[in-house]
Amino acid sequence: DAKTTQPTSMDCAEGRAANLPCNHSTISGNEYVYWYRQIHSQGPQYIIHGLKNNETNEMASLIITEDRKSSTLILPHATLRDTAVYYCIVRVIGDYKLSFGAGTTVTVRA
Amino acid sequence: SQTIHQWPATLVQPVGSPLSLECTVEGTSNPNLYWYRQAAGRGLQLLFYSVGIGQISSEVPQNLSASRPQDRQFILSSKKLLLSDSGFYLCAWSVVMPTRRYEQYFGPGTRLTVT
Repeated sequence: DAKTTQPTSMDCAEGRAANLPCNHSTISGNEYVYWYRQIHSQGPQYIIHGLKNNETNEMASLIITEDRKSSTLILPHATLRDTAVYYCIVRVIGDYKLSFGAGTTVTVRA
Repeated sequence: SQTIHQWPATLVQPVGSPLSLECTVEGTSNPNLYWYRQAAGRGLQLLFYSVGIGQISSEVPQNLSASRPQDRQFILSSKKLLLSDSGFYLCAWSVVMPTRRYEQYFGPGTRLTVT
C-alpha cells in the first residue's frame, strides 16, 4: 500500500540542479513529507522534511504544492557524490516509523 | 555529536547457526532505536523498534528477535539462521524533538550472507 509514487530512475548532469518529483495524492493533513537518500552500501541519510511550507537546508530544497499532493526535492548543484537512491516518505506526525518504498535511483554524470 | 556504531560490517554464517548483531549509539540519551533489513535489490523493511530499555516492538513475524539491555545498545539475534535471513541489516536512532520530529539516523550496516 504505497503512499508515494516516484520515478524509478533519472539522470542528472554534474553541476546542474536535480529535481526529483514525488506524488502523494492521498496525503492527509497530519502527515509530513520526508526525504532520505541511500548511497550504495551505506545506510540511508536524512535530507529534509516539510509539512506544507517550502523548506531549505544545506543539502536541498523541498517544494510542496499548495494542495500537498506532490512535492519536489531539489539538489541545487548536483555532484557525483549525490548519486544514490532517493526515498520520498509520508509519515504521520508523532509516528516514529518510516516506510521506505523503491525510491528513485539518481545517477549524476560528469 | 551523535555517533552510531554497528558491528560486524560483514558476516558469513551457515544455515542453522546463531546470530548476534550489535548496535550502539553515542552522544544522546534515551533514543528510539530501530532495526531494518534490506534484501538484495529491495527496499528497507522495519523489523523492530524500541522506545526504551527492555521495550521492543516487532513489526513482522520472523526468525529474529531484538533486545535492548542498555539505553544506547540494541541487539539483533537469531537462534537458527535461515537462507532468507541474508541481507543488509541497518540500525537507526531518533529522538523526540519538541516539534515531535523523528528524523532517523542510520548506522553503516552489517551485510549478512547465510550460506
